[in-house]
Amino acid sequence: AQTVTQSQPEMSVQEAETVTLSCTYDTSENNYYLFWYKQPPSRQMILVIRQEAYKQQNATENRFSVNFQKAAKSFSLKISDSQLGDTAMYFCAFGRGGTSYGKLTFGQGTILTVHP
Amino acid sequence: DTEVTQTPKHLVMGMTNKKSLKCEQHMGHRAMYWYKQKAKKPPELMFVYSYEKLSINESVPSRFSPECPNSSLLNLHLHALQPEDSALYLCASSQDRGQEAETQYFGPGTRLLVL
Repeated sequence: AQTVTQSQPEMSVQEAETVTLSCTYDTSENNYYLFWYKQPPSRQMILVIRQEAYKQQNATENRFSVNFQKAAKSFSLKISDSQLGDTAMYFCAFGRGGTSYGKLTFGQGTILTVHP
Repeated sequence: DTEVTQTPKHLVMGMTNKKSLKCEQHMGHRAMYWYKQKAKKPPELMFVYSYEKLSINESVPSRFSPECPNSSLLNLHLHALQPEDSALYLCASSQDRGQEAETQYFGPGTRLLVL
């Protein structure tokens, strides 16, 4: 079984600054994928970034980037130039490879507040 | 069109009522999911359909009954619910092409209150 741990229940950052959300996971699988999802208050969950475990290069999407440390089983999310619209709950999630559908194992989430 | 829609947005029901939640996607996805989410908690998987067949049931009580009439539609039939079933019910869909863990696209959810 997989576990995903997000050790920061809440974080806050000033607008335009950089913040890093941490995520660690435990698995015995070799073929897996990692995700960061964002759920703004009363709005739907959307994908922020997806990382294939077999790729060494860290995924990036505009102001969002990850630091994927496979040996350490760490998958942190860095948000640069934070904006008010980044205020949301962020979930780190693990998905097994070998099947294209199936259970995502979610962490408990980090509530991020961006202050003006 | 990368949208998953859900109706209704809000639902209040008594413990003896029967109601249904509806989910629709037009992205050509062949996997569809139901999740239950409590406030400030991660989503909990309930059911997964792949190619309109139920593939995963996470030991959900029988008062929740899923249905996948076609590749674009997913329903969740509710009967004799308990107050603890009050939650946000999320639908999601994804490609189903093979060996990768595909990105799941979520709908806005139905906020259910059971009285």
